[in-house]
Amino acid sequence: DGGITQSPKYLFRKEGQNVTLSCEQNLNHDAMYWYRQDPGQGLRLIYYSQIVNDFQKGDIAEGYSVSREKKESFPLTVTSAQKNPTAFYLCASSILRQGRTGELFFGEGSRLTVL
Amino acid sequence: GEDVEQSLFLSVREGDSSVINCTYTDSSSTYLYWYKQEPGAGLQLLTYIFSNMDMKQDQRLTVLLNKKDKHLSLRIADTQTGDSAIYFCAEVTSGTYKYIFGTGTRLKVLA
Repeated sequence: DGGITQSPKYLFRKEGQNVTLSCEQNLNHDAMYWYRQDPGQGLRLIYYSQIVNDFQKGDIAEGYSVSREKKESFPLTVTSAQKNPTAFYLCASSILRQGRTGELFFGEGSRLTVL
Repeated sequence: GEDVEQSLFLSVREGDSSVINCTYTDSSSTYLYWYKQEPGAGLQLLTYIFSNMDMKQDQRLTVLLNKKDKHLSLRIADTQTGDSAIYFCAEVTSGTYKYIFGTGTRLKVLA
């Protein structure tokens, strides 16, 4: 079945450590996204990528980094520079067809807790 | 500015209809989406409507769009306990990759 796989589902980190969240899709979508979700808030865009080897900062990119070496993969690194990293992280992908932006397909999320 | 607003909570009795409201700001060619999120999970697409439409119906779901007021609503008929979740509306300008999400409405269905 086609879809988006995020791992790990739960992750605990000590302060000062970098952690990497994995996101893989087999939908053949060009665009991939990382969102952060906090209670009572909408989804906030961290980074997005439209094509391989290219990505753009979203609204809250500080303290995060990404790479897009393959179409299927868009890992997110939460660095020690991120001041408040405890959150639920969602990866998504979409397709652009005939000039219409397609809907977002989401993974199941990764919950990061900083101890 | 860009903003999508929703009320935070809604409580209904099982079997009643639920209406979840959303206001958006983008006046250009826009797609508007409704997503459902169950606890600890990702978002699932429920339905979408293009900004040149007034209404869309899909089984128990009815989407109404008031373009003049930039108001979007999602009606769930015969609401069931399995409909308890957070519902997000989102807008995206066609041809772009920038989706704007509302804060989400937590729907609680009482048995």
